[in-house]
Amino acid sequence: DAGITQSPRHKVTETGTPVTLRCHQTENHRYMYWYRQDPGHGLRLIHYSYGVKDTDKGEVSDGYSVSRSKTEDFLLTLESATSSQTSVYFCAIRDRANSPLHFGNGTRLTVT
Amino acid sequence: AQSVTQLDSQVPVFEEAPVELRCNYSSSVSVYLFWYVQYPNQGLQLLLKYLSGSTLVKGINGFEAEFNKSQTSFHLRKPSVHISDTAEYFCAVSDNTGNQFYFGTGTSLTVIP
Repeated sequence: DAGITQSPRHKVTETGTPVTLRCHQTENHRYMYWYRQDPGHGLRLIHYSYGVKDTDKGEVSDGYSVSRSKTEDFLLTLESATSSQTSVYFCAIRDRANSPLHFGNGTRLTVT
Repeated sequence: AQSVTQLDSQVPVFEEAPVELRCNYSSSVSVYLFWYVQYPNQGLQLLLKYLSGSTLVKGINGFEAEFNKSQTSFHLRKPSVHISDTAEYFCAVSDNTGNQFYFGTGTSLTVIP
């Protein structure tokens, strides 16, 4: 949908290992976002980007870092995965400040 | 900063009955408001949006929402629900900088045959 691809779709990893999730868009949109979805919490913003190399923290950024070296790619890295980071991760994009977000299909991450 | 409160975590309703899902927001600046729907094991799909102008906004699948600035609310309504409307519904708010976009905790709508 809306030219957004998240990879991988599913991943199981062990506590303490680094993990990188990728979001790729073909829409040339300026803004990109990473959210995590957990029962009872809705979607919580982890990090967002408002241009190449321009990123900022969201409400739950501890333990996560991001990079955006190209317009089309936004990477989310868990430096040392913990069980509390088991979640479904969604990437979203939009082109203008008053546009709605368009979402990818999500990545289900399990940290054992 | 903005925040969004969805007052009901679960709403059961009989088929063909009307439904209202409540959403309140807090913000010190002008905002844009959105409702999204999420079907099981899927991503989020936009239902409708309020940017400016008419306070009554119509969306897909027969849903509509009304922006009430004085009550800082953006409640979602449908006059007659169908089984296929069973899903999770999220209210969201964005400020006019475009830099952040916040969601409520969601309302699970269950339509009972």
